[in-house]
Amino acid sequence: EAGVTQSPTHLIKTRGQQVTLRCSPISGHTSVYWYQQALGLGLQFLLWYDEGEERNRGNFPPRFSGRQFPNYSSELNVNALELEDSALYLCASSLEGRRGQYFGPGTRLTVT
Amino acid sequence: ILNVEQSPQSLHVQEGDSTNFTCSFPSSNFYALHWYRWETAKSPEALFVMTLNGDEKKKGRISATLNTKEGYSYLYIKGSQPEDSATYLCAFVDSWGKLQFGAGTQVVVTP
Repeated sequence: EAGVTQSPTHLIKTRGQQVTLRCSPISGHTSVYWYQQALGLGLQFLLWYDEGEERNRGNFPPRFSGRQFPNYSSELNVNALELEDSALYLCASSLEGRRGQYFGPGTRLTVT
Repeated sequence: ILNVEQSPQSLHVQEGDSTNFTCSFPSSNFYALHWYRWETAKSPEALFVMTLNGDEKKKGRISATLNTKEGYSYLYIKGSQPEDSATYLCAFVDSWGKLQFGAGTQVVVTP
């Protein structure tokens, strides 16, 4: 069974630009979560999608947004990038929103 | 506001010794408590999902207990091995499905 996949692996962007990160969940999983881990900080919850709907979001500004497609894959969009957006972005999927999650390898975003 | 706290932040354990550490979380709006192991250069791996007060889970040499009334969970590692070296994260899931992760306890097991 294929695990959670994320693309790209690494990304370098300039302040003010926009970025899109992608995540494909484990087959059969309908929930996708997004997390940010900035340097020196713990995992911060960003967004939760389930059955195509945004179910909850963390304490992040509106320039962090996303969507979930009918095949349950998901995109995370970050507009007007700031230096402090440099972080590891992890995606996780689960069968149902509150069960244990399976994490992808992450996307390392560097904003210069 | 981070109200999921893990302690200690890090600990060093001799191979063969047992150890334990704590996750504290809000005692209201509780739905579930997750434990994950995060090894360097890998993705977090789910260890336990705990939902009931008094739950005890075990996976090999690792076990966990849950007290939802007082808002804490303990993770125990029996007979630590070098491969147990990792950061152990707990995540509090509230009744609206929102997760809050603790900052983690970094465990280093030395031979």
